[in-house]
Amino acid sequence: ETGVTQTPRHLVMGMTNKKSLKCEQHLGHNAMYWYKQSAKKPLELMFVYSLEERVENNSVPSRFSPECPNSSHLFLHLHTLQPEDSALYLCASSHEADGNEKLFFGSGTQLSVL
Amino acid sequence: QKEVEQNSGPLSVPEGAIASLNCTYSDRVSQSFFWYRQYSGKSPELIMSIYSNGDKEDGRFTAQLNKASQYVSLLIRDSQPSDSATYLCAVNKNAGNMLTFGGGTRLMVKP
Repeated sequence: ETGVTQTPRHLVMGMTNKKSLKCEQHLGHNAMYWYKQSAKKPLELMFVYSLEERVENNSVPSRFSPECPNSSHLFLHLHTLQPEDSALYLCASSHEADGNEKLFFGSGTQLSVL
Repeated sequence: QKEVEQNSGPLSVPEGAIASLNCTYSDRVSQSFFWYRQYSGKSPELIMSIYSNGDKEDGRFTAQLNKASQYVSLLIRDSQPSDSATYLCAVNKNAGNMLTFGGGTRLMVKP
């Protein structure tokens, strides 16, 4: 158990669907992140939240919409996705969002867009 | 040029040997460097961090940093089959929030 819980573990959705990924951290951290991991590509940072405020948005298409209602919860709302968005979506947390902190990753959501 | 570059492998070493994993980065102002291990089907986990030039040892793992050459490496002594995984190099460029990952090197330790 890593202290960062993601649901669902697997998700299959059509291009017209709307779905949400959920992440919860039980570590008392102040920063939370969404990463995308595609086959044969490096981990890509999507969003960073520090104390519930978005501090980084790494040129992500608007069909991905993050939400951080409090420091323990992070959502990624998905709508009108494309097949190339199929990937493993990883949530992570750290004590602070200064880039020098250890990241704790969740188990990820394997997303398939049909 | 990729920001953080790693040989994808696979790097195959016999059990008990030293595995040497290498990473180069392009941004000279990078300050913090990390090695994460990712088993197949699992999420990455941090195994080493290094911030200053030289070597840092932790058990069987040694991280080496050479900022002049923009090079960071990970040595695994007495490699075990359980070390078989993908090793991700990550670099924090400038004390910001951006941690840039390399594509990872797949290590296979053969019994």
